[in-house]
Amino acid sequence: KQEVTQIPAALSVPEGENLVLNCSFTDSAIYNLQWFRQDPGKGLTSLLLIQSSQREQTSGRLNASLDKSSGRSTLYIAASQPGDSATYLCAVRHATDSWGKLQFGAGTQVVVTP
Amino acid sequence: GAVVSQHPSRVICKSGTSVKIECRSLDFQATTMFWYRQFPKQSLMLMATSNEGSKATYEQGVEKDKFLINHASLTLSTLTVTSAHPEDSSFYICSARDWTSSPPKNIQYFGAGTRLSVL
Repeated sequence: KQEVTQIPAALSVPEGENLVLNCSFTDSAIYNLQWFRQDPGKGLTSLLLIQSSQREQTSGRLNASLDKSSGRSTLYIAASQPGDSATYLCAVRHATDSWGKLQFGAGTQVVVTP
Repeated sequence: GAVVSQHPSRVICKSGTSVKIECRSLDFQATTMFWYRQFPKQSLMLMATSNEGSKATYEQGVEKDKFLINHASLTLSTLTVTSAHPEDSSFYICSARDWTSSPPKNIQYFGAGTRLSVL
């Protein structure tokens, strides 16, 4: 059974520092991996999607890497801002799941202080 | 980008009543929709997968008679919490998979969630 773990569970950094969020998964047979942002009491906003054949994806200040063989993904957020404060979730889709179910990690709660 | 609309955003009800939550894909057809439940400071737990025109598939431990799912059209799925009790209080989130675009995007788009409080 796939297990998705995110470390750390919480992170607080001063504005301007780079953020590094880790996600690990136990079954490397994934179709893709997705990073989401969730603000308190809100739904999810998709940040980046990495297909299993890709090594990384970039969008603005965000960069996500994927090492499928070791079961790890890292989300980097450059030059953090207070507006980046949120919970970040990673989720994987199994390679053989035709319905596309996502298995989520518990998330990393990020606070960026001014 | 694609939009998934979820209503209501918040509902407070008395114990024993039933509550219906709607999930609509606004600008794409969603043959598959997912319903998740999230407890405070915990991750999303998949409750069920609904496919248009067929019965939903429930995850282990989810009571299908308690959480009724109907996916009657390509743009609408509903979750009904029957005879709700305080332990059903939670944050419910739906997502819809865009599988009909050309080429298929196979990306899930999420609703804003519904906060259910059962008194």
